[in-house]
Amino acid sequence: AQSVSQHNHHVILSEAASLELGCNYSYGGTVNLFWYVQYPGQHLQLLLKYFSGDPLVKGIKGFEAEFIKSKFSFNLRKPSVQWSDTAEYFCAVNAPGGYNKLIFGAGTRLAVHP
Amino acid sequence: DGGITQSPKYLFRKEGQNVTLSCEQNLNHDAMYWYRQDPGQGLRLIYYSQIVNDFQKGDIAEGYSVSREKKESFPLTVTSAQKNPTAFYLCASSDVQGRDTGELFFGEGSRLTVL
Repeated sequence: AQSVSQHNHHVILSEAASLELGCNYSYGGTVNLFWYVQYPGQHLQLLLKYFSGDPLVKGIKGFEAEFIKSKFSFNLRKPSVQWSDTAEYFCAVNAPGGYNKLIFGAGTRLAVHP
Repeated sequence: DGGITQSPKYLFRKEGQNVTLSCEQNLNHDAMYWYRQDPGQGLRLIYYSQIVNDFQKGDIAEGYSVSREKKESFPLTVTSAQKNPTAFYLCASSDVQGRDTGELFFGEGSRLTVL
Protein backbone atom coordinates (compact mmCIF):
# COMPACT_ATOMS: atom_id res chain seq x y z
CA ALA A 1 0.00 0.00 0.00
CA GLN A 2 1.09 3.51 -0.70
CA SER A 3 2.13 5.72 2.16
CA VAL A 4 3.48 9.22 2.64
CA SER A 5 5.90 10.28 5.37
CA GLN A 6 6.47 13.83 6.46
CA HIS A 7 9.54 14.15 8.62
CA ASN A 8 8.70 17.21 10.66
CA HIS A 9 5.46 17.54 12.57
CA HIS A 10 6.17 21.02 13.89
CA VAL A 11 8.50 23.66 12.48
CA ILE A 12 9.10 27.10 13.96
CA LEU A 13 10.90 29.74 11.94
CA SER A 14 11.54 33.45 12.01
CA GLU A 15 10.50 35.61 9.09
CA ALA A 16 12.99 35.59 6.20
CA ALA A 17 14.34 32.18 7.17
CA SER A 18 14.47 29.49 4.52
CA LEU A 19 12.07 26.57 4.64
CA GLU A 20 12.37 22.97 3.61
CA LEU A 21 9.73 20.41 4.53
CA GLY A 22 10.51 16.79 3.86
CA CYS A 23 8.18 14.32 2.17
CA ASN A 24 8.85 10.73 1.18
CA TYR A 25 6.45 8.31 -0.42
CA SER A 26 6.43 4.56 -0.84
CA TYR A 27 5.29 3.47 -4.26
CA GLY A 28 7.38 1.88 -6.94
CA GLY A 29 5.45 3.00 -9.97
CA THR A 30 4.69 6.33 -11.57
CA VAL A 31 3.10 8.75 -9.16
CA ASN A 32 1.61 12.19 -9.08
CA LEU A 33 2.71 14.27 -6.10
CA PHE A 34 1.10 17.20 -4.35
CA TRP A 35 1.47 19.68 -1.56
CA TYR A 36 -1.68 21.04 0.05
CA VAL A 37 -1.85 23.86 2.57
CA GLN A 38 -4.36 24.67 5.28
CA TYR A 39 -4.14 28.25 6.54
CA PRO A 40 -5.75 28.94 9.92
CA GLY A 41 -9.51 29.03 9.54
CA GLN A 42 -9.42 28.30 5.82
CA HIS A 43 -10.09 25.39 3.49
CA LEU A 44 -7.38 22.96 2.56
CA GLN A 45 -6.10 24.07 -0.84
CA LEU A 46 -3.64 22.92 -3.48
CA LEU A 47 -0.20 24.54 -3.24
CA LEU A 48 1.56 22.77 -6.11
CA LYS A 49 1.67 19.47 -7.97
CA TYR A 50 4.03 17.30 -10.01
CA PHE A 51 2.86 15.02 -12.81
CA SER A 52 5.81 14.75 -15.18
CA GLY A 53 8.56 16.77 -16.83
CA ASP A 54 10.72 19.25 -14.95
CA PRO A 55 11.22 17.82 -11.45
CA LEU A 56 11.37 21.33 -9.99
CA VAL A 57 7.81 22.53 -9.63
CA LYS A 58 6.76 26.04 -8.75
CA GLY A 59 3.55 26.77 -6.92
CA ILE A 60 1.69 29.68 -5.45
CA LYS A 61 3.15 32.22 -3.02
CA GLY A 62 6.78 31.51 -3.93
CA PHE A 63 6.77 27.86 -2.94
CA GLU A 64 8.55 25.21 -4.96
CA ALA A 65 9.11 21.48 -4.65
CA GLU A 66 11.66 19.11 -6.10
CA PHE A 67 10.85 15.57 -7.15
CA ILE A 68 13.80 13.23 -6.70
CA LYS A 69 12.74 9.86 -8.04
CA SER A 70 15.76 7.97 -6.74
CA LYS A 71 15.01 9.14 -3.20
CA PHE A 72 11.20 8.83 -3.46
CA SER A 73 11.10 12.40 -2.19
CA PHE A 74 9.13 15.55 -2.93
CA ASN A 75 10.41 18.22 -0.55
CA LEU A 76 8.77 21.62 -0.29
CA ARG A 77 10.93 24.73 -0.19
CA LYS A 78 10.66 28.47 0.12
CA PRO A 79 13.73 30.73 0.23
CA SER A 80 12.27 33.30 2.61
CA VAL A 81 9.15 32.66 4.69
CA GLN A 82 6.66 35.25 5.82
CA TRP A 83 4.38 35.36 8.83
CA SER A 84 1.47 34.68 6.46
CA ASP A 85 2.97 31.27 5.63
CA THR A 86 1.92 30.03 9.05
CA ALA A 87 -0.20 27.01 8.20
CA GLU A 88 -0.31 23.24 8.12
CA TYR A 89 1.25 21.62 5.05
CA PHE A 90 0.32 18.21 3.70
CA CYS A 91 2.16 16.12 1.15
CA ALA A 92 0.04 13.71 -0.90
CA VAL A 93 0.45 11.06 -3.57
CA ASN A 94 -1.90 9.70 -6.20
CA ALA A 95 -1.14 6.70 -8.39
CA PRO A 96 -2.36 7.34 -11.95
CA GLY A 97 -5.76 5.87 -12.58
CA GLY A 98 -6.67 6.45 -8.98
CA TYR A 99 -9.40 9.00 -9.69
CA ASN A 100 -7.78 11.60 -7.47
CA LYS A 101 -7.89 9.26 -4.50
CA LEU A 102 -5.07 10.92 -2.61
CA ILE A 103 -3.00 9.47 0.19
CA PHE A 104 -1.91 12.22 2.58
CA GLY A 105 0.98 12.50 4.96
CA ALA A 106 0.50 13.40 8.61
CA GLY A 107 1.10 17.08 7.98
CA THR A 108 3.67 19.63 9.16
CA ARG A 109 2.53 22.54 11.24
CA LEU A 110 4.60 25.62 10.42
CA ALA A 111 4.70 28.65 12.69
CA VAL A 112 6.50 31.75 11.44
CA HIS A 113 7.33 34.41 13.98
CA PRO A 114 7.72 38.07 12.98
CA ASP B 1 -19.98 31.30 -5.25
CA GLY B 2 -19.10 27.77 -6.27
CA GLY B 3 -17.85 25.50 -3.60
CA ILE B 4 -18.46 22.80 -1.08
CA THR B 5 -20.74 23.27 1.88
CA GLN B 6 -20.50 21.05 4.91
CA SER B 7 -22.94 21.10 7.78
CA PRO B 8 -23.08 21.23 10.65
CA LYS B 9 -19.78 22.87 11.47
CA TYR B 10 -19.83 21.53 15.03
CA LEU B 11 -21.75 18.54 16.27
CA PHE B 12 -22.00 16.82 19.61
CA ARG B 13 -23.42 13.37 19.99
CA LYS B 14 -23.89 10.86 22.73
CA GLU B 15 -22.33 7.44 22.51
CA GLY B 16 -24.55 4.95 20.69
CA GLN B 17 -26.15 7.52 18.41
CA ASN B 18 -25.79 7.68 14.67
CA VAL B 19 -25.12 11.08 13.14
CA THR B 20 -25.17 12.26 9.53
CA LEU B 21 -22.84 14.92 8.17
CA SER B 22 -23.99 16.80 5.11
CA CYS B 23 -21.83 17.65 2.09
CA GLU B 24 -23.15 19.58 -0.91
CA GLN B 25 -21.20 20.85 -3.90
CA ASN B 26 -22.20 23.14 -6.76
CA LEU B 27 -19.02 22.70 -8.77
CA ASN B 28 -20.58 20.05 -11.02
CA HIS B 29 -17.80 17.67 -10.03
CA ASP B 30 -18.16 13.97 -10.66
CA ALA B 31 -16.16 12.67 -7.73
CA MET B 32 -16.63 13.28 -4.02
CA TYR B 33 -14.67 12.14 -1.00
CA TRP B 34 -14.81 11.98 2.77
CA TYR B 35 -11.64 12.28 4.80
CA ARG B 36 -11.09 12.17 8.51
CA GLN B 37 -8.43 14.44 10.01
CA ASP B 38 -6.85 13.62 13.36
CA PRO B 39 -3.92 15.47 14.96
CA GLY B 40 -0.61 13.92 13.92
CA GLN B 41 -2.26 11.53 11.46
CA GLY B 42 -3.12 13.77 8.57
CA LEU B 43 -6.10 12.97 6.39
CA ARG B 44 -7.37 9.44 6.01
CA LEU B 45 -9.85 8.44 3.33
CA ILE B 46 -13.18 7.08 4.57
CA TYR B 47 -15.25 6.73 1.39
CA TYR B 48 -15.21 8.08 -2.13
CA SER B 49 -17.61 8.21 -5.02
CA GLN B 50 -16.70 8.62 -8.66
CA ILE B 51 -20.25 8.86 -10.03
CA VAL B 52 -23.82 8.95 -8.81
CA ASN B 53 -25.11 5.74 -7.24
CA ASP B 54 -21.61 4.36 -6.86
CA PHE B 55 -19.12 4.58 -4.01
CA GLN B 56 -16.12 2.69 -2.66
CA LYS B 57 -14.58 2.18 0.73
CA GLY B 58 -11.44 4.04 1.58
CA ASP B 59 -8.83 3.07 4.14
CA ILE B 60 -10.96 3.50 7.26
CA ALA B 61 -14.55 2.80 6.22
CA GLU B 62 -15.53 0.68 9.22
CA GLY B 63 -18.29 2.31 11.24
CA TYR B 64 -19.24 4.73 8.46
CA SER B 65 -21.77 4.69 5.64
CA VAL B 66 -22.48 6.96 2.68
CA SER B 67 -24.91 7.44 -0.16
CA ARG B 68 -24.65 9.18 -3.52
CA GLU B 69 -28.18 9.63 -4.84
CA LYS B 70 -27.46 13.00 -6.39
CA LYS B 71 -24.36 14.39 -8.05
CA GLU B 72 -24.33 17.36 -5.69
CA SER B 73 -24.66 15.48 -2.43
CA PHE B 74 -22.56 12.94 -0.55
CA PRO B 75 -23.71 12.59 3.07
CA LEU B 76 -21.67 10.63 5.59
CA THR B 77 -23.25 8.73 8.47
CA VAL B 78 -21.11 8.03 11.49
CA THR B 79 -22.68 5.00 13.10
CA SER B 80 -22.52 3.75 16.65
CA ALA B 81 -20.16 1.05 15.39
CA GLN B 82 -17.38 3.60 14.87
CA LYS B 83 -15.11 3.08 17.87
CA ASN B 84 -13.49 6.49 17.96
CA PRO B 85 -15.71 8.95 16.10
CA THR B 86 -14.49 12.20 17.64
CA ALA B 87 -12.63 13.89 14.80
CA PHE B 88 -12.64 16.57 12.15
CA TYR B 89 -14.36 15.41 8.95
CA LEU B 90 -13.55 16.90 5.57
CA CYS B 91 -15.56 16.52 2.39
CA ALA B 92 -13.94 17.12 -1.00
CA SER B 93 -14.78 16.95 -4.66
CA SER B 94 -12.84 16.79 -7.89
CA ASP B 95 -13.52 17.14 -11.57
CA VAL B 96 -12.50 13.68 -12.75
CA GLN B 97 -13.96 13.05 -16.22
CA GLY B 98 -11.35 10.39 -16.87
CA ARG B 99 -8.45 12.60 -15.84
CA ASP B 100 -6.30 12.62 -12.74
CA THR B 101 -5.56 16.17 -11.79
CA GLY B 102 -5.01 15.66 -8.10
CA GLU B 103 -6.84 18.84 -7.29
CA LEU B 104 -9.39 18.26 -4.60
CA PHE B 105 -11.65 21.07 -3.48
CA PHE B 106 -12.38 20.88 0.21
CA GLY B 107 -15.19 22.06 2.41
CA GLU B 108 -14.67 23.82 5.74
CA GLY B 109 -15.11 20.63 7.68
CA SER B 110 -17.36 19.32 10.43
CA ARG B 111 -16.04 18.75 13.91
CA LEU B 112 -17.78 15.86 15.64
CA THR B 113 -17.41 15.33 19.37
CA VAL B 114 -18.81 12.28 21.08
CA LEU B 115 -19.65 12.86 24.73
